[in-house]
Amino acid sequence: NAGVTQTPKFQVLKTGQSMTLQCAQDMNHEYMSWYRQDPGMGLRLIHYSVGAGITDQGEVPNGYNVSRSTTEDFPLRLLSAAPSQTSVYFCASSYGYSSTDTQYFGPGTRLTVL
Amino acid sequence: AQKVTQAQTEISVVEKEDVTLDCVYETRDTTYYLFWYKQPPSGELVFLIRRNSFDEQNEISGRYSWNFQKSTSSFNFTITASQVVDSAVYFCALSEDLNNNAGNMLTFGGGTRLMVKP
Repeated sequence: NAGVTQTPKFQVLKTGQSMTLQCAQDMNHEYMSWYRQDPGMGLRLIHYSVGAGITDQGEVPNGYNVSRSTTEDFPLRLLSAAPSQTSVYFCASSYGYSSTDTQYFGPGTRLTVL
Repeated sequence: AQKVTQAQTEISVVEKEDVTLDCVYETRDTTYYLFWYKQPPSGELVFLIRRNSFDEQNEISGRYSWNFQKSTSSFNFTITASQVVDSAVYFCALSEDLNNNAGNMLTFGGGTRLMVKP
């Protein structure tokens, strides 16, 4: 199993550009999520999905869109990048979506918006 | 609302010293889960342990041990005989049962950067 994979590892955007961060898992996990990591703030939840076709907002959803057409993939879209979106983005997945389920994280994508 | 506080932003120790990383949490829920993750310099997040609110037994895994105390809302992490490879940022996180209808949301502390010098 590759676990949770993310592409790209690094990305530089100009303000106003759009892009999609890719996330895939091969563990047949129902739950997938996106977090952003900013210095001193830990990780904060952007969006999550409890299964294919179902997504919802987390703590900091503004400026991001998601979709979940398959169990395996959960892409994160930035429609019009802003410098405030400079961050490290982590995708995570877990078998179920209860508080008992341990989430496993991908390697992260470091995004810089100029 | 839930909250996790890691008051120590940075700790520096010399190899073979013992070190304790503090984690204090706030929650309204009676059923919740606490986690520790390690983020080495390579950047990935590595799961270390999960603890549920009904199990206050301390846990030991090799050089790692965890002390969960509901009376003080703390879930501290001790590394015995630290090694250079322990250098990383360590995150404490909380998941509440109240969030069951809203997904498996983790609330993270700000992290503690541990530097172990040879």
